Amino acid sequence: QVQLQESGPGLVKPSETLSLTCTVSGGSVSADYWSWIRQPPGKGLEWMCYAYNSATTYYNPSLKSRLTMSVDTSKNQFSLNLNSVTAADTAVYYCAKHRRGGGYSFDHWGRGTPVTVSS
Amino acid sequence: QTVVTQEPSFSVSPGGTVTLTCGLTSGSVSTTYYPSWYQQTPGQAPRTLIYNTNIRSSGVPDRFSGSILGNKAALTITGAQADDESDYYCVLYMGSAVWVFGGGTKLTVL
Repeated sequence: QVQLQESGPGLVKPSETLSLTCTVSGGSVSADYWSWIRQPPGKGLEWMCYAYNSATTYYNPSLKSRLTMSVDTSKNQFSLNLNSVTAADTAVYYCAKHRRGGGYSFDHWGRGTPVTVSS
Repeated sequence: QTVVTQEPSFSVSPGGTVTLTCGLTSGSVSTTYYPSWYQQTPGQAPRTLIYNTNIRSSGVPDRFSGSILGNKAALTITGAQADDESDYYCVLYMGSAVWVFGGGTKLTVL
């Protein structure tokens, strides 16, 4: 059973870079497709970015200019960097695995990690 | 910019049937959008219910079903139970490795 665990600082200052890591257990990060999804307090889910190897990534157009996703096969992890953060980036951040056989949906989720942007 | 629409809230009586929908502000939802549905209770990560329009995820009770109704994707709960009270999100695959979530529907069972 694949398990995902997000990690990173819970507090980031405005204008700085938010960096999160998702550690994969029970599976190989090189064998599947992965996404980051976030949820601001009291609001809905927003898909952020997607990767299926260390070289192939796709981004939500609304975040693309500030967002970088990477995959580290040696650590079985994938990461997210969101720069120039503002209070609007305060959210619970989830990492998720895409279902095999097309990868059009998500079949495993991390528990989520809350991030607050505040000085 | 295309927006994925869901009813903000819905109410159903215990044992009743409810259909939640997932549409587009421009165009129709079809199977080529690979609609999937997720259930989320407060403080928890989403749980996958339905994928590829109508396939139930492992362990999901058969009272949950997915379909295309008219120009929207639909999630139907038949015989609603108290613990079905949750937020429900659909997500559509827009092509070119882009996914868009609907705003979610808050379902009340009372």
